[in-house]
Amino acid sequence: ETGVTQSPTHLIKTRGQQVTLRCSSQSGHNTVSWYQQALGQGPQFIFQYYREEENGRGNFPPRFSGLQFPNYSSELNVNALELDDSALYLCASSLLAGGRFDTQYFGPGTRLTVL
Amino acid sequence: GDSVTQMEGPVTLSEEAFLTINCTYTATGYPSLFWYVQYPGEGLQLLLKATKADDKGSNKGFEATYRKETTSFHLEKGSVQVSDSAVYFCALSSGTGNQFYFGTGTSLTVIP
Repeated sequence: ETGVTQSPTHLIKTRGQQVTLRCSSQSGHNTVSWYQQALGQGPQFIFQYYREEENGRGNFPPRFSGLQFPNYSSELNVNALELDDSALYLCASSLLAGGRFDTQYFGPGTRLTVL
Repeated sequence: GDSVTQMEGPVTLSEEAFLTINCTYTATGYPSLFWYVQYPGEGLQLLLKATKADDKGSNKGFEATYRKETTSFHLEKGSVQVSDSAVYFCALSSGTGNQFYFGTGTSLTVIP
């Protein structure tokens, strides 16, 4: 069983640019969630995708968007990057059953730096 | 809205000391509660969980009991080891099942 993988590991962008981060879910999982973790803080929930549809969203603006593909891989897109978007972005996959999260398995993250 | 409040750190303990990390929550409905751990240089890992009131989650000598009356899910371990040094996060999934909230994390350092 493969774990959750994310790419790239590190990324440097400038303010105003757009970025796409990628995640490959653990085999058999139908749900992927994305989180933003600022330095020294806990992860903040961005959104969750279930069967290719957004299933829940945290307090993030619309310039944060995502996609989930039939093979359950996923993308996080951020438009019009701001300096405060600099953070570790985590992807987590799980099996959603009965409307409840099962255990989430996290990837190692993508470190995004916005200059 | 739902939220998790976690004991501020950092916490430094001697080996074999007793550990408590406090966590309280605010939620509507019936959330599930979790403790995640992040070891140095590694990703987040689930440590334990509890899905309903009075459930006790346990793993690797750590325990936490889901207390609905006090809205708490405190993490405890009777005798910590140097290898327990890590950052610990309390988290909840909402009663609706599609939102997830983490605390700010508590850094634990265990010295020999």
